[in-house]
Amino acid sequence: DAGITQSPRHKVTETGTPVTLRCHQTENHRYMYWYRQDPGHGLRLIHYSYGVKDTDKGEVSDGYSVSRSKTEDFLLTLESATSSQTSVYFCAISTSWGETQYFGPGTRLLVL
Amino acid sequence: EDQVTQSPEALRLQEGESSSLNCSYTVSGLRGLFWYRQDPGKGPEFLFTLYSAGEEKEKERLKATLTKKESFLHITAPKPEDSATYLCAVQTNTGNQFYFGTGTSLTVIP
Repeated sequence: DAGITQSPRHKVTETGTPVTLRCHQTENHRYMYWYRQDPGHGLRLIHYSYGVKDTDKGEVSDGYSVSRSKTEDFLLTLESATSSQTSVYFCAISTSWGETQYFGPGTRLLVL
Repeated sequence: EDQVTQSPEALRLQEGESSSLNCSYTVSGLRGLFWYRQDPGKGPEFLFTLYSAGEEKEKERLKATLTKKESFLHITAPKPEDSATYLCAVQTNTGNQFYFGTGTSLTVIP
């Protein structure tokens, strides 16, 4: 998985609770991405980062925030989880915009 | 509206039976088209990147081609280990967005 780890790998939480997912890379890639994958929708971009403290929104950013305080870590936060955020979340990295993205193993999140 | 459509949704092949998967796209401007393979419970694994119409890439039994409106992933003499979901993704050169198709689930029967 190209030196990418995600934690936790599985999480069950309740509606209304905050949740933070972590993506850690050892490749020193500049760009990092968060996607969600749902049946019938494919992978959808949530947020991405193009450097430390530099982030931007993707296609489905509502209800999510991100932070990147170090090159190797990209955090995805659900401030108040909802059942519609039950999904599999993937982190990806790339050297620059337009270059190949390499994906992590995913985090399966269930919001009850 | 930018859109990526993959067909068929599912495909069953006998081992050795060649076929093609389709990815058609309508985007304001194409920067790159990517093919990935995804096994159950795992993250997508990169296969190919194509940037311009007429470009072709090959890897083992797989060959990807690109036209102005679609891409094909040709699978020659597939083996059971080629069974997976194949994803297509398009990056636009305006708006900085990536769009993935919903994938083609390929099953190769021994």
